[in-house]
Amino acid sequence: GDSVTQMEGPVTLSEEACLTINCTYTATGYPSLFWYVQYPGEGLQLLLKATKADDKGSNKGFEATYRKETTSFHLEKGSVQVSDSAVYFCALSDSSNTGKLIFGQGTTLQVKP
Amino acid sequence: DSGVTQTPKHLITATGQRVTLRCSPRSGDLSVYWYQQSLDQGLQFLIQYYNGEERAKGNILERFSAQQFPDLHSELNLSSLELGDSALYFCASSRLAEPYEQYFGPGTRLTVT
Repeated sequence: GDSVTQMEGPVTLSEEACLTINCTYTATGYPSLFWYVQYPGEGLQLLLKATKADDKGSNKGFEATYRKETTSFHLEKGSVQVSDSAVYFCALSDSSNTGKLIFGQGTTLQVKP
Repeated sequence: DSGVTQTPKHLITATGQRVTLRCSPRSGDLSVYWYQQSLDQGLQFLIQYYNGEERAKGNILERFSAQQFPDLHSELNLSSLELGDSALYFCASSRLAEPYEQYFGPGTRLTVT
């Protein structure tokens, strides 16, 4: 079945460092891809999305490009802030078109001042 | 604030008991999804309703059931509770059946003692 694999965390960076969180997927169709962020004690917030190959999603300085040839959707940010500390989830829409999202295990990011 | 509300925020109950979790979707959203987040299983899709009808089922136990009411709010019923049911339960909503964007509530933390 469809699945998402994320790099294991935690990832610890200093403020203003560059961030990359790897995400690869397995899907039988052409899913939409998403990054969600979960701040401590809160629910998931949609960070960005891409619905077809070569689409680039971006929001709040974060970017991710839908790469069909490598089945990847890596999350990047050029300069992280302490406030970016959170858990990041990569997800895809199930190819059976039922509406459900399949999530990766999540990657914890800790940014130190 | 995503616009999705969930009650209660916390729930502590004993094994064998039954609880009901409630979710109100964003205004205008017809789809409601339920997810379970636990340390060992990560984020797992449970069930989806669209405009009052069940649309998709995931890894939902037979002891669990859900429904969506005419006013589009949804309830997740968990019965014969076991210690392993302790988790965060999230509700999400989207405009249509397809999951291009799902908006998550703050979650209900269930602790079974």
